[in-house]
Amino acid sequence: GENVEQHPSTLSVQEGDSAVIKCTYSDSASNYFPWYKQELGKGPQLIIDIRSNVGEKKDQRIAVTLNKTAKHFSLHITETQPEDSAVYFCAASKAAGNKLTFGGGTRVLVKP
Amino acid sequence: EPEVTQTPSHQVTQMGQEVILRCVPISNHLYFYWYRQILGQKVEFLVSFYNNEISEKSEIFDDQFSVERPDGSNFTLKIRSTKLEDSAMYFCASSGRSGTGELFFGEGSRLTVL
Repeated sequence: GENVEQHPSTLSVQEGDSAVIKCTYSDSASNYFPWYKQELGKGPQLIIDIRSNVGEKKDQRIAVTLNKTAKHFSLHITETQPEDSAVYFCAASKAAGNKLTFGGGTRVLVKP
Repeated sequence: EPEVTQTPSHQVTQMGQEVILRCVPISNHLYFYWYRQILGQKVEFLVSFYNNEISEKSEIFDDQFSVERPDGSNFTLKIRSTKLEDSAMYFCASSGRSGTGELFFGEGSRLTVL
């Protein structure tokens, strides 16, 4: 089955700096890659997703890149703000709405 | 904004007891899921449910687990005889359309088995 690895497990950045989280996946049939943000005491919330027919997607300060050949995808947060502090999860599935295989999560701390 | 709601937020039970976790998915959604997260570990898929039947389940989802949509609004996860290793956060999620739809997660139910 699919296996998703996520790095780093923790990331501390200064406010205004960029944060990058990387994930690799094992199943070449996966073609949907969402990123979720989980704040303390809440469920995961989708922040951005990418499908395999594109290599990059951007939404304001958040961007995701996908390299299907290498089976890795990354989340980039620019101009980080304290409210970006949370746990971020990458995931992979064969289609949006199908079962997700999650990475282990990255705890991001943005220091003011 | 519509949301997935889960109850209870926290349940403590004795080993061997039955537990029912409840979820109210977003009203026009058709696909329903349970995931769990053991403390410090990955979020893991348990089961997906569509058209009143299980569409996929993981190896974790053994005979001790069952799901039901008894009244067209609630979606429940039952654990028949809880084990210590069932202690985890259980997340319900729903989706409008498989193949295109985003999964919306609830805030989770924390289960502690003593």
